[in-house]
Amino acid sequence: EIVMTQSPATLSVSPGERATFSCRASQSVSSNLAWYQQKPGQAPRLLIYGASTRATGVPARFSGSGSGTEFTLTISSLRSEDFAVYYCQHFNNWPLMYTFGQGTKLEI
Amino acid sequence: EVQLVQSGAEVKKPGESLKISCKGSGYSFRNYWIAWVRQMPGKGLEWMGIIYPGDSDTRYSPSFQGQVTISADQSISTAYLQWTSLKASDTAMYYCARRGEHSSSCFDYWGQGSLVTVSS
Repeated sequence: EIVMTQSPATLSVSPGERATFSCRASQSVSSNLAWYQQKPGQAPRLLIYGASTRATGVPARFSGSGSGTEFTLTISSLRSEDFAVYYCQHFNNWPLMYTFGQGTKLEI
Repeated sequence: EVQLVQSGAEVKKPGESLKISCKGSGYSFRNYWIAWVRQMPGKGLEWMGIIYPGDSDTRYSPSFQGQVTISADQSISTAYLQWTSLKASDTAMYYCARRGEHSSSCFDYWGQGSLVTVSS
């Protein structure tokens, strides 16, 4: 079973600064990696899929990179509405399995 | 507009049964896999399983196999998550989510969540 480990657990950054989130897989997952944003009381929102493709409507300040076992989500210039919890998620085709990381909380 | 609308909050006692629903609209419901995701209070996201409404092909996470049943009725564009005997540890928010249109490796639309509280 592939384990997804996110770091740090909490990230403290000021508006206007850059935020970088890390997600590490216990074994190679190719580019089958997605990122989600979840604000309090809301459902998760897809940000990035295929490790680096922005989902429809996602601002350009969000970017994803990486492949294999190391992945990064970057928010280039933080806005107040970006403060939330961010999850990475891996997909395995056989056996079919979706695995989420434990999340990183972005706070001011 | 693609929408997934889930049934409302439920309060149940241990041992009771429950079936929650997720109704899709704005797209061809039968042609997209629908997943269920659990979020326990203050915790992260856990994938429970997924169903293809077109033929009811269903896959479960090993962690949830035998604990819940996922089903769908394509005639009314609705997927379901069912328990036969609830436990206090089933208390959580449950989300349905559509497998991505552009990638099968992610979920592009999510329901608003159904809060299930199990307490004696």
